[in-house]
Amino acid sequence: EVQLLESGGGLVQPGGSLRLACAASGFTFSSYAMSWVRQSPGKGLEWVSSISGSGGSTFSADSVRGRFSISRDNSKNTLYLQINSLRDEDMAVYYCAKEVGARTMGFFHFWGQGTLVTVSS
Amino acid sequence: DIQLTQSPSSLSASVGDTVTITCQANENIYNYLNWYQQKPGRAPKLLIYDASNLETGVPSRFSGSGSGTDFTFTISSLQPEDIATFYCQQYGDPPYSFGQGTKVEIK
Repeated sequence: EVQLLESGGGLVQPGGSLRLACAASGFTFSSYAMSWVRQSPGKGLEWVSSISGSGGSTFSADSVRGRFSISRDNSKNTLYLQINSLRDEDMAVYYCAKEVGARTMGFFHFWGQGTLVTVSS
Repeated sequence: DIQLTQSPSSLSASVGDTVTITCQANENIYNYLNWYQQKPGRAPKLLIYDASNLETGVPSRFSGSGSGTDFTFTISSLQPEDIATFYCQQYGDPPYSFGQGTKVEIK
């Protein structure tokens, strides 16, 4: 059974940093691209970043490029999102999602339950 | 960047009704469109992929159609457990984008 468990969310001050993690199980992690998608309170869904199965290819939304960094450790079956220079508009539930193949396509086949990042001074 | 315009933003229908949601892209996305269901407090769940294919385990009352720029999502007989927000989403090349969502309620 595919499982994705996000962690690392919490309360952070504007300008602060945080590292989110997504622990995967139930599938061959290195064979699948992974992504982060966020949802601000009461709002819609926004794609954040994606990484290929090997980790050699990454893409990010303009709104986070240069501040957020996606990575993965295939030996630990874990996906990461390093978030720097946090802004008010970054406050959201962050979901990790498994794609359908090793190449990033933005095809979000299965989602974790999410971790909440709150930005407040 | 590809923009998706989804409508309506909300609707109220009776149990057993047919519900239709539309999603329009500002350029040709072929059939690279998915539909997701998000129940309150839960993660999104894939229902329809490649515009018209039903994900495994999803009830057959859900369906999708369309290609190019115009797409439709249908619930053929609305059930109480279908209360949720539904999103269309285009994929293929980044940036990947979502429609604004349609909140479906029971009348």
